[in-house]
Parts: sequence; C-alpha cells; structure tokens
Amino acid sequence: EAGVVQSPRYKIIEKKQPVAFWCNPISGHNTLYWYLQNLGQGPELLIRYENEEAVDDSQLPKDRFSAERLKGVDSTLKIQPAELGDSAVYLCASSLEGEGDTQYFGPGTRLTVL
Amino acid sequence: AQKITQTQPGMFVQEKEAVTLDCTYDTSDQSYGLFWYKQPSSGEMIFLIYQGSYDEQNATEGRYSLNFQKARKSANLVISASQLGDSAMYFCAMREPYSSASKIIFGSGTRLSIRP
Repeated sequence: EAGVVQSPRYKIIEKKQPVAFWCNPISGHNTLYWYLQNLGQGPELLIRYENEEAVDDSQLPKDRFSAERLKGVDSTLKIQPAELGDSAVYLCASSLEGEGDTQYFGPGTRLTVL
Repeated sequence: AQKITQTQPGMFVQEKEAVTLDCTYDTSDQSYGLFWYKQPSSGEMIFLIYQGSYDEQNATEGRYSLNFQKARKSANLVISASQLGDSAMYFCAMREPYSSASKIIFGSGTRLSIRP
C-alpha cells in the first residue's frame, strides 16, 4: 500500500513569490493534516481536514496561507507571498478514524525562501 | 493546556546497548493517547508505537517498548539492542482528549546517535 505522497520534495523561491505544495494521503484515509516543522523542533499543526471540511485551521496564518481539499482526497497548501521566515519543512499526514487515529506522514517538502 | 517535554536534546549510545528516551506530558484530561515517531535525516516521520491512557499494559512493537507511568505522567521510549539505523530524531506526541476531533502536539525531540 502506498504511503502519503508529497511533492515537490524541495523548493527554493525568492521572497514575495507564491508557492504551492501537494499531498496525496493514504487511500481511504479521511483525515488529512498539514504541519510546519522548523529546524530542530517538532511539527506544529497548520490545518486539519475531515474529508473536504477544514475542522481546525486556527494555526494557519490566513493572511498568506491557504489550503484546499476539494474532493476530500488530495490537498494543496499555498503561500502567497512567501516570506523569509516561511523557510521550513511542510509535512502532510493522514489518518483513518478507528485505527487509533495514528497519523502517517509523508516525506515533507523542504522550502527555502531567499 | 497540554504540553510535551523531552529533556534530552541529544544522546549517544553504543551499538547493541538499550536506550531510554524520556518524555513527560501535562494534561488535565483522563482520556489521551501517546505516540512516538522517528525522523531520520531523510525527513519522513515514521510511526513507532502508541499507548492509550486506559491501556493497562505497556505497549510493545518489536524492539520498541513504551514505559508508561501514568501517575508520573511519563511515557519513555525504550529501544532494545540498538542498531546503527536507529540514529535519528525521536519525537514524543500526545492527543488529548483521545478522539478524532482532537489534535496532536509534539515535543521538541531527542537526537539519538548510535556509535559502532
């Protein structure tokens, strides 16, 4: 069974440019998460989806970040415009209710803003 | 507010020795779940082991076991017979209360290095 897929793996952009990350969760997983991980720290939740509904986006900086999961499967996280402080790893995870809600993570996208 | 504390930023262990990674948590809820994840240099977070707050026995998964001491609010990860491939960052995490509607928070991690 395929795991969580993320693309791209690496992205380098200049500040003020837009950037988008894509995530495809494990097949059948109804819950999808986007996390931000700064160097040397644990992941921090940005947004959580239950199917196509964003049920927790309290930590998402809505002035520049947006996310969507239109058909309740794959998801896109966007930053526009990017700032220097956005340089980090963006992790996507998915889980299936009833399996201990264990989250399975993708490989992440490492973003560098110059 | 819920909180996860990992007090060991880094550890060095000789290959084949057992190692214990510390994790303490703070919660006012009776129902919660505790997780350990491994993050190698490749960046992917790998799920290792889970312990529910109502589970009476410590969780085990192969060489991994979770030393759950509820009264002390600790959930230490024990790796037996360490291997070179165990070198990675290890994160303790908690979901409180235990339901699909709650979010998971992570500690700051412990970097484990295995010496040959």
